[in-house]
Amino acid sequence: GAVVSQHPSRVICKSGTSVKIECRSLDFQATTMFWYRQFPKQSLMLMATSNEGSKATYEQGVEKDKFLINHASLTLSTLTVTSAHPEDSSFYICSAGQGGETQYFGPGTRLLVL
Amino acid sequence: DQQVKQNSPSLSVQEGRISILNCDYTNSMFDYFLWYKKYPAEGPTFLISISSIKDKNEDGRFTVFLNKSAKHLSLHIVPSQPGDSAVYFCAASVGGATNKLIFGTGTLLAVQP
Repeated sequence: GAVVSQHPSRVICKSGTSVKIECRSLDFQATTMFWYRQFPKQSLMLMATSNEGSKATYEQGVEKDKFLINHASLTLSTLTVTSAHPEDSSFYICSAGQGGETQYFGPGTRLLVL
Repeated sequence: DQQVKQNSPSLSVQEGRISILNCDYTNSMFDYFLWYKKYPAEGPTFLISISSIKDKNEDGRFTVFLNKSAKHLSLHIVPSQPGDSAVYFCAASVGGATNKLIFGTGTLLAVQP
């Protein structure tokens, strides 16, 4: 299947700093990527849809000014958590599809805000 | 509003037996359904999917059944193996796999040797 990578795999930062997470589709082009968040022992919650060349579409309750998404190319989307706080600590996962039977998920990024 | 629900948070099955994981949904617009397997601190791994025009899809040990009138789908794993132990999520979308997915709450499957 197609491969989606994420970087970094885990990050620890101080409260108030910003953190950028990259999501790449390695062997296919993706005009649309998705960002999810998973809190411990909970489901994956869709945060936003990342559209190449245009603004992201955010789900209800997700602050667009706090979670900045940039889909700079057909293989790269970035999520920047601005002014991170401890409650932003979570597992962030991206996905992308190529028109087949599934979306392919990245390995996830564990964010810990101290 | 939880549009996709997995009412069993956990399931324990003996090796070699059948595992049946259930999923219910409320949005009648959903027309594509997927099952993923997930380990802690990893991304979901795709298992099998089904379009709403079908009522059954089979891939090796995995079979998904869809009952549209009941808004219910299930994943059958036969025979179950210890390596199947993980959290299983069902997900649904409108318009196919490349559109946004709504995930269920997950079921932790433990296959006992």
